[in-house]
Amino acid sequence: EVQLVESGGGLIQPGGSLRLSCAASGFTVSSTYMNWVRQAPGKGLEWVSVIYTGGGTYYAASVKGRFTISRDNSRNTLYLQMNNLRAEDTAVYYCARNSMMDVWGQGTTVTVSS
Amino acid sequence: DIVMTQSPDSLAVSLGERATINCKSSQSVLYSSKNRDYLAWYQQKPGQPPKLLIYWASTRESGVPDRFSGSGSGTDFTLTISSLQAEDVAVYYCQQYDTTPWTFGQGTKVEIK
Repeated sequence: EVQLVESGGGLIQPGGSLRLSCAASGFTVSSTYMNWVRQAPGKGLEWVSVIYTGGGTYYAASVKGRFTISRDNSRNTLYLQMNNLRAEDTAVYYCARNSMMDVWGQGTTVTVSS
Repeated sequence: DIVMTQSPDSLAVSLGERATINCKSSQSVLYSSKNRDYLAWYQQKPGQPPKLLIYWASTRESGVPDRFSGSGSGTDFTLTISSLQAEDVAVYYCQQYDTTPWTFGQGTKVEIK
């Protein structure tokens, strides 16, 4: 079964760091584009970052320089390293497969608050 | 960045009636050499992740009921629910995947009248 399972969210103080994980099963993360998408409470969807099959990456302007997307092919897992977190980064973070996002995880909640 | 604008923001439709959601992109998402529009539609129910309904503007994802259809090309797109069912109550989003950053519309909330 094709599945994505996120983990690593939590409550963090402004300026802190978190690393989110997205474990994939039923397919290989390195064989497709993989994304992070977030949704602030009561708001719409905001695309955050993509890692291409070749390893290239791209970020939304709102997170560029603070967030880093990566993958571990041996663990078949996608990551999002989030540094210098701000209150406006508070959201449910989803990982999703492909540019047309055909598989989504259930999400992990990140709350940035003092 | 390509800006995606949906209309309306919300709509209420009677059971069995048609629901129509529009999505306009600030520039064309048609990749002319492949003759494909890089446009997807998603459905999101409360407490759930989004679910892909339509990609390439009009291709229904496997398992999606045929009452859902997508149309349009270039900059103007439409998602139609031909006969609204109770389980279709949700927020619907369009998304372009032609140019990074991928961008979503603001969402359209569909309710039962």
